[in-house]
Amino acid sequence: TQLLEQSPQFLSIQEGENLTVYCNSSSVFSSLQWYRQEPGEGPVLLVTVVTGGEVKKLKRLTFQFGDARKDSSLHITAAQPGDTGLYLCAGEMNRDDKIIFGKGTRLHILP
Amino acid sequence: GAVVSQHPSWVICKSGTSVKIECRSLDFQATTMFWYRQFPKQSLMLMATSNEGSKATYEQGVEKDKFLINHASLTLSTLTVTSAHPEDSSFYICSALIDNYEQYFGPGTRLTVT
Repeated sequence: TQLLEQSPQFLSIQEGENLTVYCNSSSVFSSLQWYRQEPGEGPVLLVTVVTGGEVKKLKRLTFQFGDARKDSSLHITAAQPGDTGLYLCAGEMNRDDKIIFGKGTRLHILP
Repeated sequence: GAVVSQHPSWVICKSGTSVKIECRSLDFQATTMFWYRQFPKQSLMLMATSNEGSKATYEQGVEKDKFLINHASLTLSTLTVTSAHPEDSSFYICSALIDNYEQYFGPGTRLTVT
């Protein structure tokens, strides 16, 4: 059973377009993180959200944590080729518990 | 942000030999570190949780005698793949836990067993 479902699995769009990727679960998470990973490298933490309904912005990236803390979304405005990579969401169900990863959304931005 | 390093970046070894991978937190102390394995185009799979000064906690299906973890100090955890086989070839990534919920990842080690 996959506790964290990410969608879409793969997305290829033109430079300049907007996109949203989703991370959904039937479980409640105390915190949720988004990572970006490039081939052959470790994931890099983009953001951590902990409060239901929280919205965080990182330049052209907007992260939202659902009110019930079961889901999250990542919206990218005016995508650029440099945004290409694997985007992983990861949730922690209880403090001091291990973190569960989704399978990732592989994003490819065409120049 | 916090920096985690891994050594080596990549290693090729012959079947039956052992390989040690180091994970270091460079500018902070980490009581807890995690070891992950990632196969091509797949997500990270947690192998074990490494706690400084105590035995590692292994996930179901991970052989503790094959993947030896030592967390001897607050800045270093090591993963030794013993008697490596081609099916152990993978990308191994460590992470260090900060404030009990934020992870910072190392750059990964690509292991190829021939």
